[in-house]
Amino acid sequence: QVQLVESGGGVVRPGRSLRLSCAVSGFTFSSSGMHWVRQAPGKGLEWVAVISYDGSDKYYADSVKGRFTISRDNSKNTVYLQMNSLRVDDTAVYYCAKDRGLGTSWCEYWGQGTPVTISS
Amino acid sequence: NFMLTQPHSVSESPGKTVTISCTRSSGSVASNYVQWYQQRPGSAPTTVIYEDNQRPFGVSDRFSGSIDTSSNSASLTISGLKTEDEADYYCQSYDSGKRVFGGGTKLTVL
Repeated sequence: QVQLVESGGGVVRPGRSLRLSCAVSGFTFSSSGMHWVRQAPGKGLEWVAVISYDGSDKYYADSVKGRFTISRDNSKNTVYLQMNSLRVDDTAVYYCAKDRGLGTSWCEYWGQGTPVTISS
Repeated sequence: NFMLTQPHSVSESPGKTVTISCTRSSGSVASNYVQWYQQRPGSAPTTVIYEDNQRPFGVSDRFSGSIDTSSNSASLTISGLKTEDEADYYCQSYDSGKRVFGGGTKLTVL
Protein backbone atom coordinates (compact mmCIF):
# COMPACT_ATOMS: atom_id res chain seq x y z
CA GLN A 1 0.00 0.00 0.00
CA VAL A 2 1.02 3.63 -0.38
CA GLN A 3 3.25 4.87 2.41
CA LEU A 4 4.84 8.26 2.97
CA VAL A 5 7.11 8.70 5.97
CA GLU A 6 8.42 12.13 6.88
CA SER A 7 11.51 12.70 9.00
CA GLY A 8 13.93 15.44 9.95
CA GLY A 9 11.71 17.61 12.10
CA GLY A 10 12.84 19.02 15.42
CA VAL A 11 13.51 22.16 17.43
CA VAL A 12 15.64 24.81 15.74
CA ARG A 13 16.55 28.39 16.57
CA PRO A 14 15.35 31.25 14.37
CA GLY A 15 17.59 31.91 11.40
CA ARG A 16 18.91 28.36 11.24
CA SER A 17 18.27 25.65 8.65
CA LEU A 18 16.58 22.27 8.59
CA ARG A 19 16.07 19.61 5.92
CA LEU A 20 12.99 17.43 5.91
CA SER A 21 12.81 14.11 4.08
CA CYS A 22 9.87 12.04 2.92
CA ALA A 23 10.50 8.43 1.95
CA VAL A 24 7.76 6.78 -0.07
CA SER A 25 6.74 3.29 -1.12
CA GLY A 26 3.81 1.52 -2.72
CA PHE A 27 3.65 3.54 -5.95
CA THR A 28 5.87 4.61 -8.85
CA PHE A 29 7.60 7.60 -7.30
CA SER A 30 9.27 8.72 -10.53
CA SER A 31 5.83 9.19 -12.11
CA SER A 32 4.32 11.28 -9.33
CA GLY A 33 4.50 14.90 -8.36
CA MET A 34 5.02 15.56 -4.65
CA HIS A 35 3.87 18.28 -2.26
CA TRP A 36 4.75 19.68 1.13
CA VAL A 37 1.87 21.07 3.19
CA ARG A 38 2.16 22.45 6.71
CA GLN A 39 -0.17 23.06 9.64
CA ALA A 40 0.71 25.47 12.43
CA PRO A 41 -0.53 24.53 15.92
CA GLY A 42 -4.30 24.91 16.09
CA LYS A 43 -4.43 26.34 12.56
CA GLY A 44 -5.50 25.19 9.11
CA LEU A 45 -3.59 23.61 6.27
CA GLU A 46 -1.12 25.74 4.32
CA TRP A 47 0.29 24.48 1.04
CA VAL A 48 4.07 24.98 0.89
CA ALA A 49 5.53 23.61 -2.35
CA VAL A 50 5.15 21.11 -5.19
CA ILE A 51 7.70 19.40 -7.42
CA SER A 52 6.92 17.65 -10.69
CA TYR A 53 7.65 13.99 -11.28
CA ASP A 54 11.05 14.67 -12.84
CA GLY A 55 11.98 17.70 -10.76
CA SER A 56 11.78 20.09 -13.70
CA ASP A 57 8.94 22.21 -12.31
CA LYS A 58 8.64 23.63 -8.81
CA TYR A 59 6.18 26.05 -7.25
CA TYR A 60 6.25 27.66 -3.83
CA ALA A 61 3.90 29.53 -1.53
CA ASP A 62 4.77 33.21 -1.29
CA SER A 63 5.43 32.78 2.43
CA VAL A 64 8.41 30.45 1.82
CA LYS A 65 9.67 31.46 -1.61
CA GLY A 66 13.37 32.24 -1.54
CA ARG A 67 13.86 30.45 1.79
CA PHE A 68 12.64 26.90 1.13
CA THR A 69 13.70 24.52 -1.65
CA ILE A 70 11.90 21.35 -2.68
CA SER A 71 13.89 18.61 -4.39
CA ARG A 72 13.69 14.89 -5.06
CA ASP A 73 15.88 11.86 -5.64
CA ASN A 74 14.02 9.36 -7.77
CA SER A 75 16.72 6.75 -7.15
CA LYS A 76 15.94 6.89 -3.43
CA ASN A 77 12.16 7.40 -3.65
CA THR A 78 12.55 10.47 -1.47
CA VAL A 79 11.44 14.08 -1.61
CA TYR A 80 13.12 16.79 0.43
CA LEU A 81 12.34 20.22 1.80
CA GLN A 82 15.37 22.37 2.58
CA MET A 83 14.30 25.15 4.92
CA ASN A 84 16.64 28.10 5.43
CA SER A 85 16.33 31.35 7.40
CA LEU A 86 13.69 29.76 9.58
CA ARG A 87 11.26 31.99 11.44
CA VAL A 88 9.04 31.44 14.46
CA ASP A 89 5.99 31.40 12.18
CA ASP A 90 7.40 28.40 10.30
CA THR A 91 6.54 26.31 13.36
CA ALA A 92 4.16 23.60 12.15
CA VAL A 93 3.63 19.97 11.39
CA TYR A 94 4.96 19.39 7.88
CA TYR A 95 3.20 16.80 5.72
CA CYS A 96 4.38 15.40 2.43
CA ALA A 97 1.72 14.34 -0.02
CA LYS A 98 1.61 12.45 -3.29
CA ASP A 99 0.17 14.29 -6.27
CA ARG A 100 -2.53 12.42 -8.20
CA GLY A 101 -0.59 13.10 -11.38
CA LEU A 102 2.77 14.39 -12.54
CA GLY A 103 2.63 17.48 -10.33
CA THR A 104 -0.35 19.45 -11.61
CA SER A 105 -3.09 17.68 -9.69
CA TRP A 106 -4.28 17.29 -6.10
CA CYS A 107 -2.92 15.69 -2.94
CA GLU A 108 -3.97 12.06 -3.20
CA TYR A 109 -2.14 10.48 -0.25
CA TRP A 110 -0.59 12.09 2.81
CA GLY A 111 2.09 11.13 5.29
CA GLN A 112 1.62 11.43 9.04
CA GLY A 113 3.73 14.57 9.30
CA THR A 114 6.88 15.66 11.11
CA PRO A 115 6.80 18.51 13.66
CA VAL A 116 9.06 21.51 13.31
CA THR A 117 9.44 24.02 16.13
CA ILE A 118 11.32 27.27 15.69
CA SER A 119 12.17 28.78 19.01
CA SER A 120 14.99 30.63 20.68
CA ASN B 1 -4.22 35.49 -6.25
CA PHE B 2 -7.49 34.46 -4.71
CA MET B 3 -8.76 33.19 -1.37
CA LEU B 4 -11.14 30.40 -0.47
CA THR B 5 -13.47 31.29 2.40
CA GLN B 6 -15.20 28.66 4.51
CA PRO B 7 -17.45 28.99 7.56
CA HIS B 8 -15.45 28.50 10.73
CA SER B 9 -17.80 25.87 12.10
CA VAL B 10 -21.05 24.03 11.44
CA SER B 11 -23.02 21.61 13.57
CA GLU B 12 -25.82 19.19 12.91
CA SER B 13 -27.46 16.13 14.42
CA PRO B 14 -26.78 12.52 13.48
CA GLY B 15 -28.79 11.36 10.51
CA LYS B 16 -29.23 14.88 9.14
CA THR B 17 -27.60 16.53 6.13
CA VAL B 18 -25.04 19.32 6.30
CA THR B 19 -23.49 21.47 3.57
CA ILE B 20 -20.16 23.27 3.89
CA SER B 21 -19.47 26.14 1.51
CA CYS B 22 -16.20 27.35 0.01
CA THR B 23 -16.36 30.73 -1.71
CA ARG B 24 -13.70 31.87 -4.15
CA SER B 25 -12.79 35.54 -3.80
CA SER B 26 -11.86 36.26 -7.42
CA GLY B 27 -11.86 34.44 -10.70
CA SER B 28 -14.41 31.76 -11.50
CA VAL B 29 -14.80 28.74 -9.26
CA ALA B 30 -15.32 26.77 -12.48
CA SER B 31 -11.83 27.70 -13.73
CA ASN B 32 -10.03 25.18 -11.54
CA TYR B 33 -11.05 21.96 -9.86
CA VAL B 34 -11.93 21.97 -6.17
CA GLN B 35 -10.98 19.23 -3.75
CA TRP B 36 -12.21 18.54 -0.22
CA TYR B 37 -10.10 17.01 2.55
CA GLN B 38 -11.21 15.59 5.88
CA GLN B 39 -8.94 15.80 8.91
CA ARG B 40 -9.91 14.04 12.09
CA PRO B 41 -8.25 15.17 15.34
CA GLY B 42 -4.66 14.02 15.57
CA SER B 43 -4.64 12.54 12.06
CA ALA B 44 -3.37 13.47 8.63
CA PRO B 45 -5.85 14.75 6.03
CA THR B 46 -7.59 12.40 3.62
CA THR B 47 -9.38 13.22 0.38
CA VAL B 48 -13.17 12.92 0.33
CA ILE B 49 -13.91 14.76 -2.95
CA TYR B 50 -11.66 15.54 -5.90
CA GLU B 51 -12.24 17.40 -9.16
CA ASP B 52 -15.37 19.15 -7.86
CA ASN B 53 -17.58 16.10 -7.42
CA GLN B 54 -15.60 12.85 -7.66
CA ARG B 55 -15.26 10.45 -4.74
CA PRO B 56 -12.07 8.46 -4.23
CA PHE B 57 -12.43 4.73 -3.97
CA GLY B 58 -13.59 3.80 -0.50
CA VAL B 59 -15.23 7.12 0.37
CA SER B 60 -18.88 6.80 1.33
CA ASP B 61 -21.51 8.00 -1.15
CA ARG B 62 -22.88 10.09 1.73
CA PHE B 63 -20.22 12.61 0.64
CA SER B 64 -20.90 14.71 -2.45
CA GLY B 65 -19.42 17.82 -4.01
CA SER B 66 -20.69 20.52 -6.32
CA ILE B 67 -19.90 23.97 -7.63
CA ASP B 68 -22.22 26.94 -8.15
CA THR B 69 -21.03 29.63 -10.52
CA SER B 70 -23.78 32.04 -9.46
CA SER B 71 -22.34 32.23 -5.94
CA ASN B 72 -18.81 31.44 -7.12
CA SER B 73 -18.57 28.71 -4.55
CA ALA B 74 -18.05 25.02 -4.07
CA SER B 75 -19.96 22.90 -1.60
CA LEU B 76 -19.43 19.68 0.29
CA THR B 77 -22.61 17.91 1.34
CA ILE B 78 -22.64 15.08 3.86
CA SER B 79 -25.91 13.21 4.24
CA GLY B 80 -26.95 10.74 6.93
CA LEU B 81 -24.48 12.28 9.35
CA LYS B 82 -22.56 9.96 11.64
CA THR B 83 -20.53 10.82 14.71
CA GLU B 84 -17.43 9.61 12.83
CA ASP B 85 -17.91 12.49 10.36
CA GLU B 86 -16.95 14.95 13.09
CA ALA B 87 -13.75 16.50 11.74
CA ASP B 88 -12.23 19.54 10.08
CA TYR B 89 -12.92 19.92 6.37
CA TYR B 90 -10.79 21.90 3.95
CA CYS B 91 -11.46 22.92 0.36
CA GLN B 92 -8.53 23.37 -2.03
CA SER B 93 -8.06 24.71 -5.54
CA TYR B 94 -5.31 25.91 -7.88
CA ASP B 95 -3.71 29.27 -8.66
CA SER B 96 -1.12 29.28 -11.46
CA GLY B 97 0.69 26.15 -10.31
CA LYS B 98 0.24 26.92 -6.63
CA ARG B 99 -2.39 25.31 -4.43
CA VAL B 100 -4.79 27.28 -2.27
CA PHE B 101 -6.53 25.91 0.82
CA GLY B 102 -9.60 27.29 2.48
CA GLY B 103 -9.34 28.10 6.17
CA GLY B 104 -11.19 24.96 7.19
CA THR B 105 -14.57 24.21 8.75
CA LYS B 106 -15.03 22.34 12.00
CA LEU B 107 -17.99 19.98 11.74
CA THR B 108 -19.60 18.98 15.00
CA VAL B 109 -22.10 16.13 14.98
CA LEU B 110 -24.21 16.30 18.12
